[in-house]
Amino acid sequence: TQLLEQSPQFLSIQEGENLTVYCNSSSVFSSLQWYRQEPGEGPVLLVTVVTGGEVKKLKRLTFQFGDARKDSSLHITAAQPGDTGLYLCAGEGNDMCFGAGTRLTVKP
Amino acid sequence: KAGVTQTPRYLIKTRGQQVTLSCSPISGHRSVSWYQQTPGQGLQFLFEYFSETQRNKGNFPGRFSGRQFSNSRSEMNVSTLELGDSALYLCASSLSGQGAGNQPQHFGDGTRLSIL
Repeated sequence: TQLLEQSPQFLSIQEGENLTVYCNSSSVFSSLQWYRQEPGEGPVLLVTVVTGGEVKKLKRLTFQFGDARKDSSLHITAAQPGDTGLYLCAGEGNDMCFGAGTRLTVKP
Repeated sequence: KAGVTQTPRYLIKTRGQQVTLSCSPISGHRSVSWYQQTPGQGLQFLFEYFSETQRNKGNFPGRFSGRQFSNSRSEMNVSTLELGDSALYLCASSLSGQGAGNQPQHFGDGTRLSIL
């Protein structure tokens, strides 16, 4: 059974601060996705990383896939209140495996 | 391009009843996966259907079942409802499904099921 550990579980920061969310596993994934979910809605895909060591940037968000394709990180620079939400990582192996999520609150 | 559509959005049932939830995937997507999301357990995988066949199954009791039609639309059924079945049920579609490699899933907004 593949497991993805996501940390931290909760994060509350002030607008303008930087933060990093981690997603770790002992399993190797063929790809890893990051999603953001807002209340009352389904998760929305932010990015897919496929190659070990890959780094992708999406405006103020930087995603990195570990060299061994077992872990990933999401770094947000100068967080804004609009970044508030539940961030989920999901690893694709023989099936999809989701982390428990990081609930981010950015206070103005 | 229309996204994944789930109906109904909200549902209230009582213990012992059964319920059917519906999911229409993105046009052209042949894989549909179902998940249960609760505050305590996060997103738990229920099952995946591809070309009308169940391809993967999570660790849920047999009360949870599903099917997929020839147009890729999928339904999920839960029988003999229990209080613990209260959750957000999410459906996600992708082109070729899990295990195919680089197949991001696109989620619907879910059905919020409450059991009284």
